Amino acid sequence: EAGVAQSPRYKIIEKRQSVAFWCNPISGHATLYWYQQILGQGPKLLIQFQNNGVVDDSQLPKDRFSAERLKGVDSTLKIQPAKLEDSAVYLCASSLVGQGTYEQYFGPGTRLTVT
Amino acid sequence: AQTVTQSQPEMSVQEAETVTLSCTYDTSESNYYLFWYKQPPSRQMILVIRQEAYKQQNATENRFSVNFQKAAKSFSLKISDSQLGDTAMYFCAFMKHYGGATNKLIFGTGTLLAVQP
Repeated sequence: EAGVAQSPRYKIIEKRQSVAFWCNPISGHATLYWYQQILGQGPKLLIQFQNNGVVDDSQLPKDRFSAERLKGVDSTLKIQPAKLEDSAVYLCASSLVGQGTYEQYFGPGTRLTVT
Repeated sequence: AQTVTQSQPEMSVQEAETVTLSCTYDTSESNYYLFWYKQPPSRQMILVIRQEAYKQQNATENRFSVNFQKAAKSFSLKISDSQLGDTAMYFCAFMKHYGGATNKLIFGTGTLLAVQP
């Protein structure tokens, strides 16, 4: 089965510019996550979707970050305007929903550098 | 709030030897999962092993095993017969258990393991 796809893999932008990341989860996975992984730290959840509804966005900086999951499949994460501290790897993950399900499958990530 | 602590930023082990990575966590939950994830250089994160908190028996997956001490809130990973391909960042992670749904992972800061030939 195909894994979680993300694009682009790398992005370099200047501060105050905008950027968007795309994620395509594993087919049939209802739950989708966006994590931010700053260098030297573990990933931190930004937002969790179940189908196209938001389950948890408590750690999403809503003044500059936004995310959507149209039709409950693909998702886009946007940053506008970017700050230097947004430099990180942005990981997308997906999982099934149901009794006994627990594993999250991660994509390769998008490495963002803000200069 | 839950926290996960990995106190070993870097470790090194010789090929074919055994190494143990440490993890402690803090939670008031009684029902949860614990995980070890592996993130090889420039490659995606994959699940190594999981442990359900209600199970007393320690999980084992081939060369990987855990020592789960619930009362001490400790969850260490033992890698036996280390191989060069085990070189990676290892993250300990916690997940609350909500019936039939998965939830967010709370990660530690990671341990960078280098397997030396």
